[in-house]
Amino acid sequence: AQKVTQAQTEISVVEKEDVTLDCVYETRDTTYYLFWYKQPPSGELVFLIRRNSFDEQNEISGRYSWNFQKSTSSFNFTITASQVVDSAVYFCALSAYSGGGADGLTFGKGTHLIIQP
Amino acid sequence: GAGVSQTPSNKVTEKGKYVELRCDPISGHTALYWYRQSLGQGPEFLIYFQGTGAADDSGLPNDRFFAVRPEGSVSTLKIQRTERGDSAVYLCASSLMRGPNEQFFGPGTRLTVL
Repeated sequence: AQKVTQAQTEISVVEKEDVTLDCVYETRDTTYYLFWYKQPPSGELVFLIRRNSFDEQNEISGRYSWNFQKSTSSFNFTITASQVVDSAVYFCALSAYSGGGADGLTFGKGTHLIIQP
Repeated sequence: GAGVSQTPSNKVTEKGKYVELRCDPISGHTALYWYRQSLGQGPEFLIYFQGTGAADDSGLPNDRFFAVRPEGSVSTLKIQRTERGDSAVYLCASSLMRGPNEQFFGPGTRLTVL
C-alpha cells in the first residue's frame, strides 16, 4: 500500500517570506516517482515537478526548490521569496510504477498555502 | 492546443438517479485517468485507461461506478443509483503514454447529489 502524508493542513506567511511544504511518503516499491501539483483557486491541478526514486539530487526552478531524501522518505518543497500568486493548495503525490502496476497517483491531503500581502 | 475538457462543469442530481460525466483528453494522449476529490482532500484515483481498455479499475468504490472509453479518446464515467456520498469533484487527467508521466488535469465536474 502506498501513502502520502502532508502534515501541514494550512500555512500562512507574509509575502517575501520563504516557506517549506512537507511531504512524507510510504511505499514498498523500490522504483517509484514523486510529484508536486499546485491547485489554485480556479481548481485546475497544475504539474510542478516529477522525481524518480533513483535521483536524489535537489532541484531548483526559479523560486521553487525540492529536497528529496530517501533516508527519511521525504520530498519537501520550498518557495523562496513567496508571492501572493503562490497562494494555492499544493499536493504531493506518489506513483509506484513497476511496469505492470497501477499508474494512478496517490495524493496527500494537500497543504493550503496563504501568502498575505 | 486544447487542454483536457470535462462536461458538465456542474451537475446537480437527486439521490437514486443515474449520471454521466464526460472527459475529452488532450489529442494524442493514450492514457486517461479518473479521480474523485472530496472537499478538503486530495484527489483519489478511480480508474485508468490505456487506449480503449481499463488497465486498472481498482479505485472504483463499488459496482455503481463504471467508465468507458470506446474509441480510445473521450471517456464517460457513469454512476448509477447515486448517493449523497458520491458528491465530489470528479477530475479527469490524460498523459501521453502509460507510466509515471506528467498528468494533465481537466477543470473537473462538481457533482452534487441531493
